[in-house]
Amino acid sequence: EAEVAQSPRYKITEKSQAVAFWCDPISGHATLYWYRQILGQGPELLVQFQDESVVDDSQLPKDRFSAERLKGVDSTLKIQPAELGDSAMYLCASSLAVSEAFFGQGTRLTVV
Amino acid sequence: DQQVKQNSPSLSVQEGRISILNCDYTNSMFDYFLWYKKYPAEGPTFLISISSIKDKNEDGRFTVFLNKSAKHLSLHIVPSQPGDSAVYFCAASAVYTGNQFYFGTGTSLTVIP
Repeated sequence: EAEVAQSPRYKITEKSQAVAFWCDPISGHATLYWYRQILGQGPELLVQFQDESVVDDSQLPKDRFSAERLKGVDSTLKIQPAELGDSAMYLCASSLAVSEAFFGQGTRLTVV
Repeated sequence: DQQVKQNSPSLSVQEGRISILNCDYTNSMFDYFLWYKKYPAEGPTFLISISSIKDKNEDGRFTVFLNKSAKHLSLHIVPSQPGDSAVYFCAASAVYTGNQFYFGTGTSLTVIP
């Protein structure tokens, strides 16, 4: 069964360090999303790609976060420098249509 | 501004009974509504969706009802099983936003054996 792959599953980093997350969407899914979920809240969109183009990054803190999807397939989300408030679950999702989106297992980031 | 709202943070139900999870939305332009189930430390799993032109969609033990006039939808789980204990997120999507998905804050369901 096709699924969205994310790595790493867990990451502990010290504040002010750089951290990166990787996502490989379901094959053929043109739309890729990065969400952040804080415990007790719903997923919040950070960035949305259509193929290799950014559709929406209005909620991405661009002073420290960056995202790319160079060949329109897999994607990397980077944080530099990490802050304590960045501790959260980072979720990648992909979609072929407006009727459904599929999530990966997520990366649990802890900044100490 | 929260466009999708889940006003009940938690719900407890006896095994075998019906679980009803509720969701409200504000944007009448949404095209689809979706429900996701999430276990701790895992990503959300897609459960069921409904088009805005329909009022009911059923898949096994899961049924979603949509009331467009009230801007309200609900997920019914019958019969509830202990394995259904998880956080359930309601989401909505719209073509005009470029297929962006908006999520509620979730309802934690506990099914008591």
